[in-house]
Amino acid sequence: EIVMTQSPATLSVSPGERATLSCRASQSVSSKLAWYQQKPGQAPRLLIYGASTRATGIPARFSGSGSGTEFTLTISSLQSEDFAVYYCQQYKNWPGTFGPGTKVDIK
Amino acid sequence: QVQLVESGGGVVQPGKSLRLSCAASGFTFSLYAMHWVRQPAGKGPEWVALISYDGTNKYYADSVKGRFTISRDNSKDTVSLQMNNVRAEDTAVYYCANGLSGSYFPFDYWGQGTLVTVSS
Repeated sequence: EIVMTQSPATLSVSPGERATLSCRASQSVSSKLAWYQQKPGQAPRLLIYGASTRATGIPARFSGSGSGTEFTLTISSLQSEDFAVYYCQQYKNWPGTFGPGTKVDIK
Repeated sequence: QVQLVESGGGVVQPGKSLRLSCAASGFTFSLYAMHWVRQPAGKGPEWVALISYDGTNKYYADSVKGRFTISRDNSKDTVSLQMNNVRAEDTAVYYCANGLSGSYFPFDYWGQGTLVTVSS
């Protein structure tokens, strides 16, 4: 099973600033990497798939990059609605495994 | 718009059974594989089970294999998860989800979840 790790566990950012979240896979997942956003009491929401393709309706301030084992989610200018937990998921190998998440909170 | 609505969660004793259901609307259900995904409190999601669009193929996480059964009724646009011999570690919010554009992964639409608590 591919193990996903995310860093940092918590990221404190001021509104309007850039946030950079990292995700690492224990072996190559090519570009089979997705990012999800989850707010308290809500289901996860798909943000990025294929490592860099934004899902339908996702604002352009969210961008994904990377391939192989190292991936990054960048939020260019944090809005109040972006404070949430972000999970990465690999879907190269069965089963699709998730990372433990990065919480983005208000500085 | 796409809607997935789970039901059937609750408190269940270890070793007992529970059946979860998910009602789908807003898309052509019979063309999509469907998943159950669970999330223990404070942890990341964990994929549980998958059923192909026509119900012929079913896949399970090792942690639930032999205890859980996924099924679907394309005439009613529903997918179910029969949970038998439940354990404390099955405690989680359970979501149904579909795959993006008909693929298995990643997960596109999710329901609001139903909480399953295994406790004596």
